[in-house]
Amino acid sequence: VQLVESGGGLVQPGGSLRLSCAASGFTFSSFWMTWVRQAPGKGLEWVANIKQDGSEKYYVDSVKGRFTISRDNAKSSLYLQMTSLRAEDTAVYYCTRDVYYADDDHCLDYWGQGTLVTVSS
Amino acid sequence: SYELTQPFSVSVALGQTARLTCGGNNIGTKNVHWYQQKPGQAPVLVIYRGTNRPSGIVERFSGSNSGNTATLTISRAQAGDEADYYCHVWDSSTGRVFGGGTKLTVL
Repeated sequence: VQLVESGGGLVQPGGSLRLSCAASGFTFSSFWMTWVRQAPGKGLEWVANIKQDGSEKYYVDSVKGRFTISRDNAKSSLYLQMTSLRAEDTAVYYCTRDVYYADDDHCLDYWGQGTLVTVSS
Repeated sequence: SYELTQPFSVSVALGQTARLTCGGNNIGTKNVHWYQQKPGQAPVLVIYRGTNRPSGIVERFSGSNSGNTATLTISRAQAGDEADYYCHVWDSSTGRVFGGGTKLTVL
């Protein structure tokens, strides 16, 4: 299993950025996928997740209306479109494989190395 | 909203047993996952659904969960176990919840 993020960088407040995650080594279309972020020196924060077919998407309140998670199963790729970026969005963003269990439980069993997003003027 | 509480830091002597706690209201009724994050690296799943070890994780790592506290136990602690450890649950009303993390130091 390999997850490789790209698209991070320096962006001004109010700007936009699109993160990508290329997945390999497993059947991408069979798994939920999740973005998790980590601000510098801080803990982990779930950002968004998406069901196998893209029919369900969930977001942390702080990014609702600004971020959009999507996926392309034909390309085994996950995306995070980020708009109206704020300084507090500065973080390393991790792409994770999300294992869903029948009792409505989720576990993040594989993580990419992350891509750094810096929001600053 | 559901919250998880972890001690900021824990120290353990080389070769001894470290117990890292994760507190939450009736956490014993939930499935708890634990991640290890070494400096500059991505997190790695070390325990899932309370007591299960993923392939490749050594038997020195074990988990338990009861009442209001889940515990990650690291037996015969080694220098290579120094890392930040995060607990994680799925809550039906809050969604995904991570604890604040515990920094483990091996003395």
